[in-house]
Amino acid sequence: NAGVTQTPKFRVLKTGQSMTLLCAQDMNHEYMYWYRQDPGMGLRLIHYSVGEGTTAKGEVPDGYNVSRLKKQNFLLGLESAAPSQTSVYFCASSYASISNQPQHFGDGTRLSIL
Amino acid sequence: GENVEQHPSTLSVQEGDSAVIKCTYSDSASNYFPWYKQELGKRPQLIIDIRSNVGEKKDQRIAVTLNKTAKHFSLHITETQPEDSAVYFCAASMAGTASKLTFGTGTRLQVTL
Repeated sequence: NAGVTQTPKFRVLKTGQSMTLLCAQDMNHEYMYWYRQDPGMGLRLIHYSVGEGTTAKGEVPDGYNVSRLKKQNFLLGLESAAPSQTSVYFCASSYASISNQPQHFGDGTRLSIL
Repeated sequence: GENVEQHPSTLSVQEGDSAVIKCTYSDSASNYFPWYKQELGKRPQLIIDIRSNVGEKKDQRIAVTLNKTAKHFSLHITETQPEDSAVYFCAASMAGTASKLTFGTGTRLQVTL
């Protein structure tokens, strides 16, 4: 049981390049989330999904797209990377429930945009 | 939307002393308040959480208190140890919102010998 796995762990991009970050969970969680973490700003929600085939915007969605084609996977895409997107990206997942459930995080992807 | 403020941003205590981190939230509809610990270069890990129907919860050296009227909650760590050194984040969530979390900006706790 690996939990939440993120790939890649590190990546350097040039401005204008595109890439996709992959998140996979093996806990059969319905909900999945993408956050970015910047110094002094905590974690901010980019996009989230409440189930296969569904996505929704979070607090800071601009410049990102997501897809949830399979329940266990949640992809985060950057179509045209900008230096402001340099950050550490965390994926998380949780059970679906009437009462809120804890989120379980992956190890993160450190992304640098030059 | 919800806004969570966290204080202090840094905290230094001597080993064996207690540490207290405080958070306030803005939306009275929030009813779930987890605390995460993040060591340098690692993932955030849940250490304790509390729901709005409870005023206090303890787990060994860690406790969380919640004051719904004042809309604030606090993390208490007793008998601190060097391995408690990390960044701690509070968060808040409302029912029916897919467990979305709004995080505080974090407190860097340093436990010195």
